[in-house]
Amino acid sequence: QKEVEQDPGPLSVPEGAIVSLNCTYSNSAFQYFMWYRQYSRKGPELLMYTYSSGNKEDGRFTAQVDKSSKYISLFIRDSQPSDSATYLCAIGSSSASKIIFGSGTRLSIRP
Amino acid sequence: NAGVTQTPKFQVLKTGQSMTLQCAQDMNHNSMYWYRQDPGMGLRLIYYSASEGTTDKGEVPNGYNVSRLNKREFSLRLESAAPSQTSVYFCASSEAGGLGQPQHFGDGTRLSIL
Repeated sequence: QKEVEQDPGPLSVPEGAIVSLNCTYSNSAFQYFMWYRQYSRKGPELLMYTYSSGNKEDGRFTAQVDKSSKYISLFIRDSQPSDSATYLCAIGSSSASKIIFGSGTRLSIRP
Repeated sequence: NAGVTQTPKFQVLKTGQSMTLQCAQDMNHNSMYWYRQDPGMGLRLIYYSASEGTTDKGEVPNGYNVSRLNKREFSLRLESAAPSQTSVYFCASSEAGGLGQPQHFGDGTRLSIL
């Protein structure tokens, strides 16, 4: 079993829809939960992260962590064609000196 | 607002040639990292430097060497390039020491080994 599982997609939704991207993880020792956006031929861009648990909101983006279920989510409201990219989740532990990236979900927003 | 800068952006090498990939960050971060990204394999850590003066192996270090030149710069060297090292290489940095913290990435070096 992979330590982080992420559906590769592709996921295609119409402009304006709410998008839900998810990852599950198996080890409860992680404290950092991160989401990256990667456009084609570019590097991963850190979108947002949470430490420990709970929700974090930044504009149209909301990150949620459910440590009891080992489930992390990224919601995108009012999706735009410019949101079309690959989204990678990542979990990290400073004490264990470890970071694990999901394989990424390809998202396409149709105008 | 450069962040993490990688050079070169593209490179083609012949098998057996050597090459150094350069990385510099201007965010005063302590830790720096080198990854490779291959289709179906995701991001894999090659080497990292938790702080100036230290380097450690990651998941796939064979065939690579690194140098933490100073706090800003971290280079990756391929001594004798092999076709299996064809990949996109990303450098990243993070504020605090050690693996596990949120990282900021450069835009990568696309390397082809013929």
